[in-house]
Amino acid sequence: DTEVTQTPKHLVMGMTNKKSLKCEQHMGHRAMYWYKQKAKKPPELMFVYSYEKLSINESVPSRFSPECPNSSLLNLHLHALQPEDSALYLCASSRALARAGELFFGEGSRLTVL
Amino acid sequence: AQSVTQLGSHVSVSEGALVLLRCNYSSSVPPYLFWYVQYPNQGLQLLLKYTTGATLVKGINGFEAEFKKSETSFHLTKPSAHMSDAAEYFCAVMGTSIQGAQKLVFGQGTRLTINP
Repeated sequence: DTEVTQTPKHLVMGMTNKKSLKCEQHMGHRAMYWYKQKAKKPPELMFVYSYEKLSINESVPSRFSPECPNSSLLNLHLHALQPEDSALYLCASSRALARAGELFFGEGSRLTVL
Repeated sequence: AQSVTQLGSHVSVSEGALVLLRCNYSSSVPPYLFWYVQYPNQGLQLLLKYTTGATLVKGINGFEAEFKKSETSFHLTKPSAHMSDAAEYFCAVMGTSIQGAQKLVFGQGTRLTINP
């Protein structure tokens, strides 16, 4: 059983919609991550939060807006997406940013933008 | 900058045969290296890691990897393949983000197929 829970598992949205992806972990981890994975490609890092503060933004377009309400929750707000943003969005956590190699991943949210 | 190269995007072995997935790294500092596995329609799972110390590291599900500095390699092996090993495998190295923080840098992945 995964200890990082992502919802929804599947999401279909139009280019004018606003939606959110949610991620939750109860392992007491203090770093949380959003990755984007296109088919047959490795995950690409988008954002990292450490102790609820944004530590890394890998030059992600502003139509993706992350939020970390508390140490257990991580959201990704989506607005005015493009069809090329269709992908699997993976949330992950680690004990700390210094342990960024030892990630616990959720099963992902598969996003389709029409 | 740190990077990894996985040799072979697709490897196919028979059940019970040796599994060998190749990974070479490039790093200007002593590397921290990792192997992750991704089963279909799932997230990634850490198989094993090398940081310092013993160069032969054992992971979950019977996998192991050997760090060879002279060859800049970190190949993943399993003595006897099982059907349940069919998955995508990613080698990764600890790198640095544009903000200077640590981040994982993944290879392109190797798809392992097991033939009955």
